Amino acid sequence: GNSVTQMEGPVTLSEEAFLTINCTYTATGYPSLFWYVQYPGEGLQLLLKATKADDKGSNKGFEATYRKETTSFHLEKGSVQVSDSAVYFCALWAGGGADGLTFGKGTHLIIQP
Amino acid sequence: DVKVTQSSRYLVKRTGEKVFLECVQDMDHENMFWYRQDPGLGLRLIYFSYDVKMKEKGDIPEGYSVSREKKERFSLILESASTNQTSMYLCASSPGTQEQFFGPGTRLTVL
Repeated sequence: GNSVTQMEGPVTLSEEAFLTINCTYTATGYPSLFWYVQYPGEGLQLLLKATKADDKGSNKGFEATYRKETTSFHLEKGSVQVSDSAVYFCALWAGGGADGLTFGKGTHLIIQP
Repeated sequence: DVKVTQSSRYLVKRTGEKVFLECVQDMDHENMFWYRQDPGLGLRLIYFSYDVKMKEKGDIPEGYSVSREKKERFSLILESASTNQTSMYLCASSPGTQEQFFGPGTRLTVL
């Protein structure tokens, strides 16, 4: 079956540090890949996505590149801010029609001033 | 902006009670989903629906049922709540593309 593995947290960084959150996946075919973010007390918001190999998704300074050869979709940001503190979920969509997303377990990111 | 709303942010129920969680979306999306979110387990799909009166089981449907009588509304029902159903419940909708839009969640506690 499909699965997503991401590094577990919490990940604690200082403001302006470089961020990498690793995500690898297992899926049949060619899935689409997503990063969602969940701020405290809120639902999930789509952060970025990539639908085919070598695509780069980007938003709000975050980037992730769809690497088919390593089945990975690592999230990066060059300089994090306190406001980036949240839980980040990597997810894939491999089905047709209305199938749900397959999520990783989430990575709690804490940015200290 | 797409808006997905859930009827309650926090809910406390007793074991054996029947519980209804309501979700409404205002963007005429065909697909709607219910997930539960638990620490260390991430999000798991309970049920989804791709049309009015249509429903499909997700990964963990046991102990739950759903109802979709109108396109904009998708209800999750716990027929007889149990303590192991204490969780955060998230509703999402999708226009038939892969992206899903989430509501704020309902934190359910079953005593």
